[in-house]
Amino acid sequence: SQQGEEDPQALSIQEGENATMNCSYKTSINNLQWYRQNSGRGLVHLILIRSNEREKHSGRLRVTLDTSKKSSSLLITASRAADTASYFCASEETSGSRLTFGEGTQLTVNP
Amino acid sequence: GAVVSQHPSRVICKSGTSVKIECRSLDFQATTMFWYRQFPKKSLMLMATSNEGSKATYEQGVEKDKFLINHASLTLSTLTVTSAHPEDSSFYICSATAGGAGEKLFFGSGTQLSVL
Repeated sequence: SQQGEEDPQALSIQEGENATMNCSYKTSINNLQWYRQNSGRGLVHLILIRSNEREKHSGRLRVTLDTSKKSSSLLITASRAADTASYFCASEETSGSRLTFGEGTQLTVNP
Repeated sequence: GAVVSQHPSRVICKSGTSVKIECRSLDFQATTMFWYRQFPKKSLMLMATSNEGSKATYEQGVEKDKFLINHASLTLSTLTVTSAHPEDSSFYICSATAGGAGEKLFFGSGTQLSVL
């Protein structure tokens, strides 16, 4: 199956700065989800935005969705060293409940 | 939050042997479980979708006789890598959901398989 695309592939910032990651997908979706993965571990669900929503907030996370451009962005504000991880978007296709994951962005937050 | 336990976390085996990986939902009934494979610094590739009590649905290019999936109960799914070869070395992750579309997934912590 086609994978979504994320950019940047890698992002290195200083603690306190904001981090923005972008994701594009290819098909019509029910929702788009963002997950976080620490090295060598499973994924942890961060936030879900439905296809009829344009923006959603959760703590220091802000997610936007533009269905006309088939794109989403994840903003992490006031980053911390503990935010260092890989971040994946995952789009749920309207044709079923399967998720298609993006290529991921490796975020490094330097103390 | 919901917990999915995956075991073992790491396994090293000789070429030709079979390896079984277990995925358990500890505090909810998982109607659907998914198995993924992940290469270093790469995304997750869906291998198969399993529903309790029925045969797994495999993605194109995934050998069902090579990767045996059993979802015998609402809390347990297993992936058996049969006659493992070095090219099967990878990080395998399971996920589970209690509902259908629109529900978030809960992931196991993954299994690093190394075939010598």
